[in-house]
Amino acid sequence: GAVVSQHPSRVICKSGTSVKIECRSLDFQATTMFWYRQFPKKSLMLMATSNEGSKATYEQGVEKDKFLINHASLTLSTLTVTSAHPEDSSFYICSAPGLAENNEQFFGPGTRLTVL
Amino acid sequence: GQNIDQPTEMTATEGAIVQINCTYQTSGFNGLFWYQQHAGEAPTFLSYNVLDGLEEKGRFSSFLSRSKGYSYLLLKELQMKDSASYLCASLDSNYQLIWGAGTKLIIKP
Repeated sequence: GAVVSQHPSRVICKSGTSVKIECRSLDFQATTMFWYRQFPKKSLMLMATSNEGSKATYEQGVEKDKFLINHASLTLSTLTVTSAHPEDSSFYICSAPGLAENNEQFFGPGTRLTVL
Repeated sequence: GQNIDQPTEMTATEGAIVQINCTYQTSGFNGLFWYQQHAGEAPTFLSYNVLDGLEEKGRFSSFLSRSKGYSYLLLKELQMKDSASYLCASLDSNYQLIWGAGTKLIIKP
């Protein structure tokens, strides 16, 4: 099956710094990738849709200047949390739709961000 | 608006059967997913229903009624490792997943 990797799996940073999270489709090409955020005991919240070769589409309430998304190639999308604050601490997950008829999305393992 | 409802938490006994219900209201419909998520991990795919009826896959089955906007996930012969959150998600007309808040399933010996 399709595999999506994410790096890093965990990151701890100081308030005010920027953190980059990478999402890679390992054995398939993904023109679209999705970035989610999940707070403890809450459901996945779609932040943005990353589109290869064009600008990302952000969901309402998500600051595009704070959460920079770059979909540089058909296998890589990056999410940069700029000037991170403690309230940005969360579980960030990326996913990519596969080619199967069931429209299944394949998820990366997630990145746990802790901002001190 | 778009809305997915599922119970917050359920408790069941090892070896038993449990049914987790989900109702949905979305703009258009292109299928209903169930995902399993263990704490601290990403969701893993369980099932996809786009036609009415029951889909069986081993110990897990998923049912869909499009006319009622209703689905359920049925777990048989429960094992301790089935303790997890189960997420219901509807694929809307834009092929965007609308997620429920998840049902935390607690399995007791």
